[in-house]
Amino acid sequence: SYELTQPPSVSVSPGQTARITCSGDGLTKQYAFWYQQQPGQAPVLLIYKDNERLSGIPERFSGSSSGTTVTLTISGVQAEDEADYYCQSADSSGTFWVFGGGTKLTVL
Amino acid sequence: EVQLLESGGGLGQPGGSLRLSCAASGFTFSTYAMSWVRQAPGKGLEWVSAITTSGHTTYYADSVKGRFTISRDNSNNTLFLQMNSLSAEDTAVYYCAKVRRSGELLGFDSWGQGTLVTVPP
Repeated sequence: SYELTQPPSVSVSPGQTARITCSGDGLTKQYAFWYQQQPGQAPVLLIYKDNERLSGIPERFSGSSSGTTVTLTISGVQAEDEADYYCQSADSSGTFWVFGGGTKLTVL
Repeated sequence: EVQLLESGGGLGQPGGSLRLSCAASGFTFSTYAMSWVRQAPGKGLEWVSAITTSGHTTYYADSVKGRFTISRDNSNNTLFLQMNSLSAEDTAVYYCAKVRRSGELLGFDSWGQGTLVTVPP
């Protein structure tokens, strides 16, 4: 089965830049999407089609893609950004959707 | 305002069945693909199933294929998930989710609040 690999945790100090990666062979053919999930809440879509920011999402959130890896970058991290982040994509055939295992962002 | 309201969760029996519903409002339901996503306690998100606008094409994760059936009633703006042969591994909060753009299948911009399904060992 197809898998997306994320680091389990990332820690940064307020004001610094956090980068969360997501790797998968299908990412060369399929778009990636990024979600933020606060404890006890439903996920929120941040980035679609690798690097498009959803309307209303702060500009400090951005996405990029290179080969089999996509990256969510949070510039000038704020305390409220502490949350779980998930990437999502599909296998190369586009018929099997998958989420990455999730990355817990800790703001020190 | 888009609203997705799941119902039908609760205590299921091993080997038993449950049917989840998701009532949609605030958008033209029949023009958007829909999905179910679940999250086991303390775990990550797991995509479960998706259905195209007409309902004619469906997709399933390997973990539920042959046991779960997704369907939709476009006249009543409702999404369903029929869950059969339940096991403890199906214990999770189940979310229904709407795709961001009509014609696409990925990228869920609206989610329900989730409904908890518990299946004891």
